[in-house]
Amino acid sequence: SQTIHQWPATLVQPVGSPLSLECTVEGTSNPNLYWYRQAAGRGLQLLFYSVGIGQISSEVPQNLSASRPQDRQFILSSKKLLLSDSGFYLCAWTVRAYQETQYFGPGTRLLVL
Amino acid sequence: AQTVTQSQPEMSVQEAETVTLSCTYDTSESDYYLFWYKQPPSRQMILVIRQEAYKQQNATENRFSVNFQKAAKSFSLKISDSQLGDAAMYFCAYGGIQGAQKLVFGQGTRLTINP
Repeated sequence: SQTIHQWPATLVQPVGSPLSLECTVEGTSNPNLYWYRQAAGRGLQLLFYSVGIGQISSEVPQNLSASRPQDRQFILSSKKLLLSDSGFYLCAWTVRAYQETQYFGPGTRLLVL
Repeated sequence: AQTVTQSQPEMSVQEAETVTLSCTYDTSESDYYLFWYKQPPSRQMILVIRQEAYKQQNATENRFSVNFQKAAKSFSLKISDSQLGDAAMYFCAYGGIQGAQKLVFGQGTRLTINP
C-alpha cells in the first residue's frame, strides 16, 4: 500500500533563517505531488505542484520554492523565512490518471518567530 | 477560476442524530469531481467521500452521503447517526480533470458532536 511521509512534524525557526521541508511517497511510481499551506482556521491553499522529476509549477508568488530531485521526493524550501510563512504545510500525492483522489501526509507545523 | 464556498463556519449536532454540511461551487467546466475531506485535531486530511460530476447517483460511504445538485452547483454532506469521532473540520473541495488535477478547497466547517 502507498504511504506518504513528511518531516519534520514541527519546526520553530527565527525570521530570516532557511527552511527545508521534505515529503516522500512510498509504494507508487510517477505520482503527481503537491504542497499546500493552511493558515490557522482557514482552508488549504495550493503552493506548488509537480508532475515529474524537476518539473515544478508555482501557484502563488511568495517567499518559498519547491524542488523534486527524485520521483517520490518533494521538497519545500526558503532562503529567508518571513513571519507570514508560519502555518501548517501539507504534502499530497495522486496517481497520474483520470480524476484520481489526492491523499495527504501528516503535515508540518511551522512557526516563524 | 473555480471557487468553493462553505457558508457554515460551525455546526453542532447531538450524538446519534443527522447533520448536513453545505457546499457550493462555481465552475464553467462540465466534467469535474468533488470531495469532502475531514480534518480531525491531528490535522491530517482524510478523504470522506468523492463524487464524479458525470454520475447522477449520489455517492455514499457507510454513514456518509452526499446530495449532488449539478445544475445548482451544490454538494452537501449528510452524516447519519453522528458519532463523537466525527467531530472535526470538514472541507469541501473541487477537482478539475485537466492537467495536474489541482484541488480548490472551501474554508471549512467545524463540526461539534454533543454527547
